[in-house]
Amino acid sequence: NAGVTQTPKFRILKIGQSMTLQCAQDMNHNYMYWYRQDPGMGLKLIYYSVGAGITDKGEVPNGYNVSRSTTEDFPLRLELAAPSQTSVYFCASSPREGVWNTEAFFGQGTRLTVV
Amino acid sequence: GDSVTQMEGPVTLSEEAFLTINCTYTATGYPSLFWYVQYPGEGLQLLLKATKADDKGSNKGFEATYRKETTSFHLEKGSVQVSDSAVYFCALKGIETSGSRLTFGEGTQLTVNP
Repeated sequence: NAGVTQTPKFRILKIGQSMTLQCAQDMNHNYMYWYRQDPGMGLKLIYYSVGAGITDKGEVPNGYNVSRSTTEDFPLRLELAAPSQTSVYFCASSPREGVWNTEAFFGQGTRLTVV
Repeated sequence: GDSVTQMEGPVTLSEEAFLTINCTYTATGYPSLFWYVQYPGEGLQLLLKATKADDKGSNKGFEATYRKETTSFHLEKGSVQVSDSAVYFCALKGIETSGSRLTFGEGTQLTVNP
């Protein structure tokens, strides 16, 4: 029972480099999310998706892009990495049924450092 | 828009002490309310939830009651253990929020000493 799987767990990037954070879920959830967690700031929503082919911006989308070609996968792309993108990134998913009162399921996180 | 405010941390307690972490919210209508816990080096796990006014969520000795009149969802535990050391997040899902996304508080770091 894998749930939400994120890769990699850790990554160090140089300023200006690009990378893709992978997220996959095996629960057939329609809703998927990307959050970033900065110390003392809680979690901020970067992008979300309500189904394959549909994505939308959250609170802090600048510097990121997403795609949702399948129900299972929701990769997050960082272009031209900046030190301000140093953070812990969490992917999450929720089922469509009862979505208003159903919790989100989280991956283990990716700790990214931009130097 | 929706927002969640948690008590400022960190919180340090001795084992078997009583725990309260305050959480208040701003939202339209009747949101669903959640407490998540994050143990060191791990992702977030649901601790408990309540989906309507006066509901009480409970799990692992933790409790929280959905108080519409005070827009609060305070987390309590009667006797904490060292293993409860973690970061606790209060969160809500607003009924009118697109994408049914969670809005989180800042998190409260709890350390329990033996």
